[in-house]
Order: sequence, then structure tokens, then C-alpha cells
Amino acid sequence: EIVLTQSPATLSVSPGERATLSCRASQSVNSNLAWYQQKPGQAPRLLIYDASTRATDIPARFRGSGSGTEFTLTISSLQSEDFAVYFCHQYNNWPPYTFGQGTKLEIK
Amino acid sequence: QVQLQESGPGLVKSSETLSLTCTVSGGSISSSYYYWGWIRQPPGKGLEWIGSIYYSGGAYYNASLRSRLSISVDTSKNQFSLKLSSATAADTALYYCARQKQRTTAAGFYYFDYWGRGRLVTVSS
Repeated sequence: EIVLTQSPATLSVSPGERATLSCRASQSVNSNLAWYQQKPGQAPRLLIYDASTRATDIPARFRGSGSGTEFTLTISSLQSEDFAVYFCHQYNNWPPYTFGQGTKLEIK
Repeated sequence: QVQLQESGPGLVKSSETLSLTCTVSGGSISSSYYYWGWIRQPPGKGLEWIGSIYYSGGAYYNASLRSRLSISVDTSKNQFSLKLSSATAADTALYYCARQKQRTTAAGFYYFDYWGRGRLVTVSS
């Protein structure tokens, strides 16, 4: 089973600044990695798939990069609605599909 | 736009069967491009994949749950369902259903693209 480790667990950033979130896989997942945004009471929202492809209607300030075992989600110029929990997901080696533990992005 | 909605009892007694249904709207569950999955999140913990099913009925299960798990699909109702027997407090979680879309550039790789809002299920003694 592939383990995804996200860091940091909590990230405090001011609105308008850049946030950088990391996801590390225990073995290569090639580019089969997605990022999601999760807010309480809402369905998780797909942001990035195939490591770097933005999903439909996702703003350009969300950027995914990486391949193999190291991945990054960068959110430039944070907006108020961006403060949420973000998690990564690998779909390269399955079953089982696995997820990271999440990074909580909070307002500084 | 595709929407998914989980439904079922929010409270289950220990040792009984936890049952949930996911209703899909805005698209057909019978499309060949998708799998349909269940994921859960215990309070304060991370996400755990439970299992996934294709419209024809072929399914993959998490090995840790396989002995207690059954996932089925009803194409006539555009629904798929989860049954987890012998429930314990460890099964208390927010249960999500989601659609899995195949990569356009490589077959056999499916990511979750649309999710429901989740159904909180508490298992009590």
C-alpha cells in the first residue's frame, strides 16, 4: 500500500500571499496524483489531477507540480475562500486507493 | 453537472449492518468511463477508500474490509449501495460516495472527480 505524507499539517498564511503544500509518496506514483479541497459540510472539490492538470473551473492560482514521489500544490495570492483542508490522492497503485492525511490552510 | 447524494440511517447498532445508498443525478451510472466509489473519514482522521464498482457489477474492495463488505449497483435507479456487516464503533465515520473518472491519456487509472457531501454514520452499542 502506498502511503502519502502531507506537510505541513497546518499552514498559516496571510491573504494575498502564496501557500505551498507538499505530498510525498512512499513509492513512485508516476503522475497519477490528485489534489482536493475540503470544507465542512461540503463535498470535496477536485482541484488538480494527473499531478498538474487543473480541473474544470478551477482558478489559475492553483498549480500542481511534481512526479514520482514528490508533489506540490501551490496557491498563489490566497483568497478568503481558499482557507480549507487540502488532501492528495494517488491512483497509480490500486487497490487500495490512498489519501494523504491533509493540510489545514488557515488564515495568519 | 453530475451530483451524488448519500442516504441511509445515521445511527446503526453495534453488530448490525451499516447500509448506505448513493443516488447519481445529472449523468448515467452506466457510462463505460467511470467507476463509482465509497470513501469514509472517521472523526478527526484521514480518508479511507472502502471500495469501487463498475456499472456492470464488477467491484474492488479494500482488503481490510472485504470480509464484511458488499457493494452493488442498480442501473435502473442510477444508484449504487454499500453494506458493511458486523458494524463496530470503529466504523463510525463520514461516508462519501464519489465518481471515478478514467485518465484520458492512460487506461486503468481512475481519480475521484465528483463527490457527495457525505453521510455521518454513528455506530453505537
